[in-house]
Amino acid sequence: DIQMTQSPSSLSASVGDRVTITCRASQSTSSYLNWYQQKPGKAPKLLIYAASSLQSGVPSRFSGSGSGTDFTLTISSLQPEDFATYYCQQTYSAPFTFGQGTRLEIK
Amino acid sequence: QVQLRESGPGLVEPSETLSLTCSVSGGSISSYYWSWIRHPPGKGLEWIGYIFYTGSSNYNPSLKSRVTISVDTSKNQFSLTLTSVTAADTAVYYCARDPTGATWGGYFDYWGPGTLVTVSS
Repeated sequence: DIQMTQSPSSLSASVGDRVTITCRASQSTSSYLNWYQQKPGKAPKLLIYAASSLQSGVPSRFSGSGSGTDFTLTISSLQPEDFATYYCQQTYSAPFTFGQGTRLEIK
Repeated sequence: QVQLRESGPGLVEPSETLSLTCSVSGGSISSYYWSWIRHPPGKGLEWIGYIFYTGSSNYNPSLKSRVTISVDTSKNQFSLTLTSVTAADTAVYYCARDPTGATWGGYFDYWGPGTLVTVSS
């Protein structure tokens, strides 16, 4: 199985901050990497697919980059509604594994 | 607007079979891949498996011996069966859609709200 490791596991930031979350794969996943946002008691929400494609309806302050084993999710200017847990997911090979999550908290 | 909703028992006894159904509304189940994903308390998300509307399926090897996913296009539903459950199968179970049509994309744009299944006697 491809292991996905996110860093940091948790992060405190303020509204307006620029935030970057990293996801590293144990082997290359090409650009088969997706990012989700999850709020307590809710299902995950797709933000980015194929490493850098913004899902329809997602604000442009979210962006994704990377290929191979190293990927980043960037939020250019944090808004109050962005405080949540973020997960990466590889879809290069089955089983399609997720990272352990990065919890983004208000400073 | 496509909507998914999971249904099934919230409590299953150890060694019994967990059965859940995902009902799809606002769109056809045809021409898409559909998945089950679970989220055990305090742990990460785990992909369980997918099914295409034709019935073709693929499962997580860690669960393959116990999992069956089936589809009923006449009811616009697909289902999950997990046998011989233990406490480790306690989780919120989600159903979700892959939006890429006939080619598996592996990402999920529509999700059900999730249903908590607890394995306990």
